[in-house]
Amino acid sequence: KNEVEQSPQNLTAQEGEFITINCSYSVGISALHWLQQHPGGGIVSLFMLSSGKKKHGRLIATINIQEKHSSLHITASHPRDSAVYICAVPLTTFGNEKLTFGTGTRLTIIP
Amino acid sequence: NAGVMQNPRHLVRRRGQEARLRCSPMKGHSHVYWYRQLPEEGLKFMVYLQKENIIDESGMPKERFSAEFPKEGPSILRIQQVVRGDSAAYFCASSPQGAIYNEQFFGPGTRLTVL
Repeated sequence: KNEVEQSPQNLTAQEGEFITINCSYSVGISALHWLQQHPGGGIVSLFMLSSGKKKHGRLIATINIQEKHSSLHITASHPRDSAVYICAVPLTTFGNEKLTFGTGTRLTIIP
Repeated sequence: NAGVMQNPRHLVRRRGQEARLRCSPMKGHSHVYWYRQLPEEGLKFMVYLQKENIIDESGMPKERFSAEFPKEGPSILRIQQVVRGDSAAYFCASSPQGAIYNEQFFGPGTRLTVL
């Protein structure tokens, strides 16, 4: 079982729809990262959150530490939101941190 | 403040050659992470470095791969005697402190193709 699991793997939606991407993890963490990988391959950090909710523009990320679950929401989706969305958690080994990644959710927004 | 820089962006090598990938972290960042993304696969941690120190190299293959982050200059990921299976996108990321409490900023990646 992967330590970080995302669902769905692929998501196609019409422009304007409300999008939800889920991430579950099996280890205790102090923070979770949401990343966006563009079709060209570049990676952008969207959020890092350790509790509650964060909002940036049309993007909202929530996390429930007790349930080991996070969601990324996109309101009023647009074709330019088409990308792979990746959640990642830092796993510590002897105090050293390294990110472990989910397999990503490929989002396609159709005009 | 420039972001994380990686060069080259694309690198083509023949089997048996050496590949050197460079990463310049954001100004003020002393923590560098290298990740590899194999074709159609997710990102995988390779190595975590601070200036002049390798902190965690548990994700790096034991042979042919090495990494350094000298006091001056960029971090270097070096792959000796490349094989076709090394073809991948290699990303580095930097943070001002460790990953637990700090956002990581990613570079654009180096796409390595081994012929």
